[in-house]
Amino acid sequence: GAGVSQSPRYKVAKRGQDVALRCDPISGHVSLFWYQQALGQGPEFLTYFQNEAQLDKSGLPSDRFFAERPEGSVSTLKIQRTQQEDSAVYLCASSLDNLGGEQFFGPGTRLTVL
Amino acid sequence: GDSVTQMEGPVTLSEEAFLTINCTYTATGYPSLFWYVQYPGEGLQLLLKATKADDKGSNKGFEATYRKETTSFHLEKGSVQVSDSAVYFCALTHYGGATNKLIFGTGTLLAVQP
Repeated sequence: GAGVSQSPRYKVAKRGQDVALRCDPISGHVSLFWYQQALGQGPEFLTYFQNEAQLDKSGLPSDRFFAERPEGSVSTLKIQRTQQEDSAVYLCASSLDNLGGEQFFGPGTRLTVL
Repeated sequence: GDSVTQMEGPVTLSEEAFLTINCTYTATGYPSLFWYVQYPGEGLQLLLKATKADDKGSNKGFEATYRKETTSFHLEKGSVQVSDSAVYFCALTHYGGATNKLIFGTGTLLAVQP
């Protein structure tokens, strides 16, 4: 079956531009997570959705970062007025339920801000 | 807050050598522990997990034992193959929490030479 997909796979933005990153979780998965992975580092949690509800956004680094999952399936991570420090790989993961089941990761979107 | 520390890489081994990648954690309560693997060009995949003290997780010849007394979860394999070359991440989560977010170490690059 299809896994988690993300688009675009690569994004180059000029500093100050807005970007939108898309995540298509595995169909039927209740939980969706966004992580940020800087070069040479492990992924760091950004935000968590249970269906359409954003239950935890404690990891979002600034108010320039915004995420949504309006119908409880596809999610979009938006970064406004991008800065060079936003350059990273953005990973999406989904899990079947909200009971801590295995998280399945997408391939990530590599964002480079020039 | 909770954290994971793993040995820095790269780790370079010859085929059939014994592998150990050290991982220690700091956490309140009784977290669940994981090893994820990232093969070149692919997304993160769960390799193995352990949910309570003294549990041993195993998969594909890899194993790790949850040691609460030493707060460790070291990854081992008796005989590595070239195909094991990847980045390995140790991680933890607290099941039953509001988020079940994963907290990762910085990753260890393993390069296996024929």
